[in-house]
Amino acid sequence: QKEVEQDPGPLSVPEGAIVSLNCTYSNSAFQYFMWYRQYSRKGPELLMYTYSSGNKEDGRFTAQVDKSSKYISLFIRDSQPSDSATYLCAADNYGQNFVFGPGTRLSVLP
Amino acid sequence: NAGVMQNPRHLVRRRGQEARLRCSPMKGHSHVYWYRQLPEEGLKFMVYLQKENIIDESGMPKERFSAEFPKEGPSILRIQQVVRGDSAAYFCASSGQALQETQYFGPGTRLLVL
Repeated sequence: QKEVEQDPGPLSVPEGAIVSLNCTYSNSAFQYFMWYRQYSRKGPELLMYTYSSGNKEDGRFTAQVDKSSKYISLFIRDSQPSDSATYLCAADNYGQNFVFGPGTRLSVLP
Repeated sequence: NAGVMQNPRHLVRRRGQEARLRCSPMKGHSHVYWYRQLPEEGLKFMVYLQKENIIDESGMPKERFSAEFPKEGPSILRIQQVVRGDSAAYFCASSGQALQETQYFGPGTRLLVL
């Protein structure tokens, strides 16, 4: 079993839709959870960073962590075509190395 | 991620040649991480370095691959006697020393082995 699992997609939604991206993880020692956005042929760009369980909001983006079910979510409100990218979740056991999910490819259609 | 510099951006090598990939971390960052990304796959951790020290190389193949982060200059990922399976995008990330610090990625080096 991979430590971080993620549906690779692709996921296609119409412009303006609410997007829900999800990951599950198996290592209960993970405490830090990140979402990265990666445009084609570019490096990953940090979007959101959360510690332990709870929600964090930044503009149109909301990250949610449920440690009891080992579930990580990223919600994108009012999605735009410019949100079309691959979204990578990652988890970290403080000071250890990041473990990335394989990424979900998102297409927001105008 | 604009602060992390990687060069070259594209590198073409023939089988058996050496590949050297460079990474300059973001200003003020002293931790460097190297990842490999194969097409349609996620990022795979290779090695974690601090200045003059390899902290964790558990993700790096035992043969042909080496990494360094000298006191002065960029971090180098070196692949000797490249094979076609080494073709991938190699990303470098850096982080600072503060607790709860996260990683910022460079634009990557795309290695193609002919």
